[in-house]
Amino acid sequence: NAGVTQTPKFQVLKTGQSMTLQCAQDMNHNSMYWYRQDPGMGLRLIYYSASEGTTDKGEVPNGYNVSRLNKREFSLRLESAAPSQTSVYFCASSAYRGPDIQYFGAGTRLSVL
Amino acid sequence: KQEVTQIPAALSVPEGENLVLNCSFTDSAIYNLQWFRQDPGKGLTSLLLIQSSQREQTSGRLNASLDKSSGRSTLYIAASQPGDSATYLCAATRTGTASKLTFGTGTRLQVTL
Repeated sequence: NAGVTQTPKFQVLKTGQSMTLQCAQDMNHNSMYWYRQDPGMGLRLIYYSASEGTTDKGEVPNGYNVSRLNKREFSLRLESAAPSQTSVYFCASSAYRGPDIQYFGAGTRLSVL
Repeated sequence: KQEVTQIPAALSVPEGENLVLNCSFTDSAIYNLQWFRQDPGKGLTSLLLIQSSQREQTSGRLNASLDKSSGRSTLYIAASQPGDSATYLCAATRTGTASKLTFGTGTRLQVTL
């Protein structure tokens, strides 16, 4: 029962470096999401994909890009990392039909020095 | 813009006590409201989802209620156990926003022996 799988679990970057966070779900869900979680701020939506082939900005999209590679995979890219992007990143997915419960991955802890 | 608030930020109770966690939201045009549990260093696990047409949902020792007119939801935990210790987050989805969740900052619960 894999559910939502995120890689890597931990990452340290230097300012200006780039990286891609990977997310895959095996529940045949239509919708996928990327959040960041910061102390005292709660989780905030970065980007989401309501269905394969579509992506839309969330609350805090600046500095990020996303790709919905196929129905299973949704990646988040930091083109030029900044210390303000130090955070815990969560990927989630949902069926987007009926009660739309979101299922979360275990998170990626990113530090930008 | 939807704002979700959870009070208190932290709560410590002895084992066996019944307790209530509070969640308030500013925009009553919600599609649904979800309660999540987050263990330290882990992702989020959905506990209960209340559709806007519902007043409450129950799962085991958990009961969540929704009052759209007052902008409030409560999570009732009966006969608390040390294993209930975690951070509890509520999140609201606004009507017509494709499951875009707005999260509160959570209540950190500790159940002591």
